[in-house]
Amino acid sequence: KAGVTQTPRYLIKTRGQQVTLSCSPISGHRSVSWYQQTPGQGLQFLFEYFSETQRNKGNFPGRFSGRQFSNSRSEMNVSTLELGDSALYLCASSLYPRGNYEQYFGPGTRLTVT
Amino acid sequence: AQSVTQLGSHVSVSEGALVLLRCNYSSSVPPYLFWYVQYPNQGLQLLLKYTSAATLVKGINGFEAEFKKSETSFHLTKPSAHMSDAAEYFCAVTNSGGSNYKLTFGKGTLLTVNP
Repeated sequence: KAGVTQTPRYLIKTRGQQVTLSCSPISGHRSVSWYQQTPGQGLQFLFEYFSETQRNKGNFPGRFSGRQFSNSRSEMNVSTLELGDSALYLCASSLYPRGNYEQYFGPGTRLTVT
Repeated sequence: AQSVTQLGSHVSVSEGALVLLRCNYSSSVPPYLFWYVQYPNQGLQLLLKYTSAATLVKGINGFEAEFKKSETSFHLTKPSAHMSDAAEYFCAVTNSGGSNYKLTFGKGTLLTVNP
């Protein structure tokens, strides 16, 4: 079974631009979560989607948004990029409501803001 | 609120030596606990999980962890380190019950294995 896929793997953007990242979960997984990883703050939860609805949201500004489609694929968008948004963005999928909260991660998208 | 503390941001061991990575958690309800490993330029791979069954949990690649409620700990061990174990390790917690799929991670421990 294919794992979680994320596209693109690498991205370079300029301050003020916006960016959209894509995540395809493991087949059959309907819960998708997003995390930001930076050297200073570590791994931080952004939001989680299930059945096209955002169920949980982390402590990030409104510039960070996401959505989930009927096929469980998810996108996250960051508007008005800042230098501090440079990070590895990780997507994870889960077999909610079955499974013991295990989350399976994709390889991430490395975003660099210049 | 839940939190995770990983003692030691960097642990260095010799090949063949015992690996011990420490994790303490804080949770107001029974926790689910996880260890993940991250190799350079890759995502996180699930090593093992504690979900209120056996307190000694065995995972992949020879790793295991023991849940100790009285010490609020979930330390990761491996009897004999291999060069391929060099990576960053993250302990994570989420709350059992409900629909909370938010993982709270520790800051990570970078494991170096010396030949």
